[in-house]
Order: sequence, then structure tokens, then C-alpha cells
Amino acid sequence: QKEVEQDPGPLSVPEGAIVSLNCTYSNSAFQYFMWYRQYSRKGPELLMYTYSSGNKEDGRFTAQVDKSSKYISLFIRDSQPSDSATYLCAMSGNSGNTPLVFGKGTRLSVIA
Amino acid sequence: DGGITQSPKYLFRKEGQNVTLSCEQNLNHDAMYWYRQDPGQGLRLIYYSQIVNDFQKGDIAEGYSVSREKKESFPLTVTSAQKNPTAFYLCASSSGIVYGYTFGSGTRLTVV
Repeated sequence: QKEVEQDPGPLSVPEGAIVSLNCTYSNSAFQYFMWYRQYSRKGPELLMYTYSSGNKEDGRFTAQVDKSSKYISLFIRDSQPSDSATYLCAMSGNSGNTPLVFGKGTRLSVIA
Repeated sequence: DGGITQSPKYLFRKEGQNVTLSCEQNLNHDAMYWYRQDPGQGLRLIYYSQIVNDFQKGDIAEGYSVSREKKESFPLTVTSAQKNPTAFYLCASSSGIVYGYTFGSGTRLTVV
């Protein structure tokens, strides 16, 4: 079993839809959780960061962490064509510079 | 502007050649990382360095080498021992997990 599992998609939704992206993980020591957005042929950029369990909201984006189920989610409300990208979850159990473990990424297309 | 610069953007390598990918940051970050991205594989860690003159192997270090002589620079050499080097290479830096990574824009390496 891989440490981090993420459905690669592709996921195609109409403009204005609510998008749900998810990752599961196996390492119970993980406590730092992130979502990165990567446009085609570009480097990923940090979108959301959550420590331990709970929710975090930033504009149209909400990140949720359920440590009891080892499950994290990213919700995008009122999705826009500009949200079309690959979304990567990442996590770590250490507050130092231990490398992040990434999911494979989910490719999202928002159709106008 | 602070950031992380990768060069070149595109690189072509002949069979049996070594090539070096450049990564420079002016963010004053202690840690730097090299990842390889293949379609459907996500980001896989090659090498990382948490401090100058020290670095550790990642999950797929075979056929690669690095150096960290300066805080700002973390070049990656793809040696002839790497049998399948065609991929998108991403460099990142960080001042701590709680701040996430800053990624460069990547180098696409192709074997010809």
C-alpha cells in the first residue's frame, strides 16, 4: 500500500460546480497536510495548508482533514475554467525539513 | 523578487552523456529538494539537502548526483547510469514544513 493514495482522474465538471478532491494515507504520524495546484508545464504552487485535523477555508477553497479516517479533502466552490489544473495533496509528520510525501495528483478540467 | 530559478527549461541529452540541471534560490531557505515527475507517477523524491554541504538520498537516487556547496544552489547531475532519464524535473526550497515548498518552473529533460 502506498503511503498516499490519490485518484488521478481526469475529473471534468461544468463551470460553477462544487469540486471535491480527496487523498487517503496510511501513516498515522502525518500531521501537516497541504494541497498544491499545478498548471500544465509549470511548477506546483501551494494552495492550502492544514495542521492536524479540522477545516480551513480560503475564498472558494476549503481543506478538510479527518485524521481518524486518514482522509483529506479539498473542496472548490463555484469552480471556474481557471481552476483547470492538476491538484496534488502532500503531507508530512515532521515540523522540520523532512520531505513532503506527495499524492499522484488529480487532473481537473472545468468546462465553460 | 525572491524566488527559485531552474535552468534550462528544456534539455536534450544523448545516450551516455551526463547533464547538469541548475537550481538557484534567493529566498534564504535552508532546505532544497529535487523531484522527478512522470505522467501518472506524481512527484518522486530524488535528493534533498537540509543544510549546506549535506544531502540525503530520496526514493529514486540511483543514477543521479547532487552537491550543496552554497546555500543558494543545489545542482542535479543526471548521469549515464540513469537508464530512463526522460522526465520533468522540479526543484523546491523550504524554510520549514509549516511554510510549504516553493517550486521552480521545472526542466524538461529528453533523451535523444
